[in-house]
Amino acid sequence: DVKVTQSSRYLVKRTGEKVFLECVQDMDHENMFWYRQDPGLGLRLIYFSYDVKMKEKGDIPEGYSVSREKKERFSLILESASTNQTSMYLCASSLWRLAESNTGELFFGEGSRLTVL
Amino acid sequence: AQTVTQSQPEMSVQEAETVTLSCTYDTSENNYYLFWYKQPPSRQMILVIRQEAYKQQNATENRFSVNFQKAAKSFSLKISDSQLGDTAMYFCAFIPPVNNDMRFGAGTRLTVKP
Repeated sequence: DVKVTQSSRYLVKRTGEKVFLECVQDMDHENMFWYRQDPGLGLRLIYFSYDVKMKEKGDIPEGYSVSREKKERFSLILESASTNQTSMYLCASSLWRLAESNTGELFFGEGSRLTVL
Repeated sequence: AQTVTQSQPEMSVQEAETVTLSCTYDTSENNYYLFWYKQPPSRQMILVIRQEAYKQQNATENRFSVNFQKAAKSFSLKISDSQLGDTAMYFCAFIPPVNNDMRFGAGTRLTVKP
């Protein structure tokens, strides 16, 4: 089974702190994603990466950065946390899609609930 | 831009009954994939069922089935013989053929009542 592991289930941080959210997958997936989940808004893509050291902005990248130094690890960084970044953060991974050989199904971690005070 | 709409924020159903969750999407693509994901309380998101747009036959996975209406851009999920363990948030999702950018609806919170 694919396993996507997020380092922290619950975090409480103060405004202005630097926050690192770590995600590791064990299935050699090329793609990794960071989503933010808020009630009534569903999942919104922050950043994704399709290869080591590659990254692409999603819909809401402002206030976030990412790092992918190794294929299995994708980190989300909040340089200076703000209260409006209080949310559930979901990491996911998938195989690189090759036409009809792969549907692009995402495999998710358990989520990291961040509270910024 | 592709969008996914779930118009039912919350639904409830009695145990053993059938419930249908609605989803519509907007795209100009002809070939794509659609998914329903389930997120139980405090647990991780898992795939329930997937549908390839080029297949006319509706996908079925045990008690879960879809009604895929391509012309109407509709993709509803039917849960038969509802069980207490079906209580969860359900997300409809869409992925276009040429990239890896999966789009999600806002979700429907389903409660199965004993």
